[in-house]
Amino acid sequence: GNSVTQMEGPVTLSEEAFLTINCTYTATGYPSLFWYVQYPGEGLQLLLKATKADDKGSNKGFEATYRKETTSFHLEKGSVQVSDSAVYFCALGHASGGSYIPTFGRGTSLIVHP
Amino acid sequence: SQTIHQWPATLVQPVGSPLSLECTVEGTSNPNLYWYRQAAGRGLQLLFYSVGIGQISSEVPQNLSASRPQDRQFILSSKKLLLSDSGFYLCAWSVRDMMRVTYEQYFGPGTRLTVT
Repeated sequence: GNSVTQMEGPVTLSEEAFLTINCTYTATGYPSLFWYVQYPGEGLQLLLKATKADDKGSNKGFEATYRKETTSFHLEKGSVQVSDSAVYFCALGHASGGSYIPTFGRGTSLIVHP
Repeated sequence: SQTIHQWPATLVQPVGSPLSLECTVEGTSNPNLYWYRQAAGRGLQLLFYSVGIGQISSEVPQNLSASRPQDRQFILSSKKLLLSDSGFYLCAWSVRDMMRVTYEQYFGPGTRLTVT
């Protein structure tokens, strides 16, 4: 079946540091890939997505590239801010048996210190 | 634009009491609807999803149930709450379109349930 593996957190960084959160997946065929962000006490928000190999999703300074050869979709940001502190979820979407149920990773907590 | 509402925002209920959480979506028709639970410090657990009125699929057997009485209304219920039902409940929707396949989901603000 489909699965998503994210790096264990929490990831703790100083403001303006470079961020990488690793995400790898297992799926047959060509899934769509997503990153969601969850701020404390809130629901998840779609951050970015990519629907085919070599696509780069980007939003709010975050980027992720769909790498079919390494089955990865790592999230990066060049300079994090305190306001980026949140939990980040990697997810994949793939039709299976006629249903469209996404598969989520366990989430990676990011803590950014001033 | 589309909006998703959940209520109540927080709820404290004793063990053995009933539960009803409501989710409504505005600005779209025929959505797929989902209920998730998020235990403290844990990931998302899909509880139910629905592709249409009266069509509910359960992902995890438990003492919860779901209903979809209207196209854009999704209700999560329990007859008798357990301590283990505590958590953050999230409703989500996604586009259901026969002409294109989309998987991105849009989440509500959540309900924090504490069973005492």
